[in-house]
Amino acid sequence: GEDVEQSLFLSVREGDSSVINCTYTDSSSTYLYWYKQEPGAGLQLLTYIFSNMDMKQDQRLTVLLNKKDKHLSLRIADTQTGDSAIYFCAERKTGANNLFFGTGTRLTVIP
Amino acid sequence: DADVTQTPRNRITKTGKRIMLECSQTKGHDRMYWYRQDPGLGLRLIYYSFDVKDINKGEISDGYSVSRQAQAKFSLSLESAIPNQTALYFCATSDQQGRNEQFFGPGTRLTVL
Repeated sequence: GEDVEQSLFLSVREGDSSVINCTYTDSSSTYLYWYKQEPGAGLQLLTYIFSNMDMKQDQRLTVLLNKKDKHLSLRIADTQTGDSAIYFCAERKTGANNLFFGTGTRLTVIP
Repeated sequence: DADVTQTPRNRITKTGKRIMLECSQTKGHDRMYWYRQDPGLGLRLIYYSFDVKDINKGEISDGYSVSRQAQAKFSLSLESAIPNQTALYFCATSDQQGRNEQFFGPGTRLTVL
């Protein structure tokens, strides 16, 4: 497909793990990103992964990259109510000067 | 103080009016961007600039214009606003590093009646 795709909604219970999935478009994309948008705020970079990596872990966050399937995922361990937000994946396509964003996944954490 | 600021934060206007949205940054970045966010569509790039006086069209530039007169400022104009330009508008900046991490402003909510 030509668009970066994400599911629109995800609900999890506090303390469970959340997995947010993304399918991107360019198998040659150099960097892939996860941004978080809290209510009423702009986007903040949460983490990123370079295309020569399969996995990146940063505290409660784990990013998995499957280049063959052009699939990116973000796992949040021990999800907290403060993790409720919209999560965007984005790719930097080969030769492009800007980022291409997915539709965003709204994560709701149920206490 | 915030690194990327946008004014106004909210604006309601009428069809046909000219509107300007301002963005200022204190990060010293060369690159600046304007996006719009619509529910279910994510962020779409309107225009971007890599230096003063440098202007490049994004995915959805029709109906918009921009001005980059100084490194720290990038303004977005709607010459004649129409209702389907109702959206949340974000300005972002980045440096020239390979990672191209973008830093976003808080957004401007624009409603065109």
